[in-house]
Amino acid sequence: GQNIDQPTEMTATEGAIVQINCTYQTSGFNGLFWYQQHAGEAPTFLSYNVLDGLEEKGRFSSFLSRSKGYSYLLLKELQMKDSASYLCAVLDSNYQLIWGAGTKLIIKP
Amino acid sequence: DADVTQTPRNRITKTGKRIMLECSQTKGHDRMYWYRQDPGLGLRLIYYSFDVKDINKGEISDGYSVSRQAQAKFSLSLESAIPNQTALYFCATSEGQGETDTQYFGPGTRLTVL
Repeated sequence: GQNIDQPTEMTATEGAIVQINCTYQTSGFNGLFWYQQHAGEAPTFLSYNVLDGLEEKGRFSSFLSRSKGYSYLLLKELQMKDSASYLCAVLDSNYQLIWGAGTKLIIKP
Repeated sequence: DADVTQTPRNRITKTGKRIMLECSQTKGHDRMYWYRQDPGLGLRLIYYSFDVKDINKGEISDGYSVSRQAQAKFSLSLESAIPNQTALYFCATSEGQGETDTQYFGPGTRLTVL
C-alpha cells in the first residue's frame, strides 16, 4: 500500500528553527509537495521537490532524498503566524497525489 | 476575486437528504478534484476530472457522484446523506503534471449531516 508518515504535532518557539519530517512509500514518484493549512482554511502551496537536494524559498526550505523516501520542511525565524498544519504529499506513478495526515505546528512566544 | 470558489461554505442537513456542493474556478485549469478532510486522516480524494469528458473515482467515491458541467465547474452530490459524511470538503484545480500539477484549493465547505 501507499503510505506517508509525518509527526502528528510539534511545538517550537518564536524565532527558532523547526524541521518537519516526512517519509513515504508510494507506487512510483513524480514529485513531493509541501502545503500549509491554517485551521479551518484551505491548504496553500509551499514547495515542490522532484530532484534530490535542498530548495530554499525565503524562511522556508524543503529537502528531498528519493533513495531514502524522505523529505523535510525547514522553517527558520519562526513567527506566530507559522502556527498551522503542514501537509506532505507525493505524486505517484499515476500522477495521483497521496497525502500525509499533516503535522500540526504550535509556536510559543 | 478568489480563483477557486465553493458554495455553500457551510451546510447542515439531515440523514437521507440529497445535497449538492458546487465548485467554480477562474484559473483556466483543466483538472479538478474533490476531497474530504477529517481530523487526523488528512485529505482523501473522492473524484477527479482531467477534462470535461473525463471523470474518475478516487479513494472514497462510494455515496458520492459528480458532474463536470464545464471546464470551470465541478459539482459534488451526496445522493442520500449519512452522518459519517460529516466533514470538510475541498475542491481543487491543477494545470498539468510535475510542478504544474500544484493543486489550488477552494475555501472549503463544512458539511454536517444530522
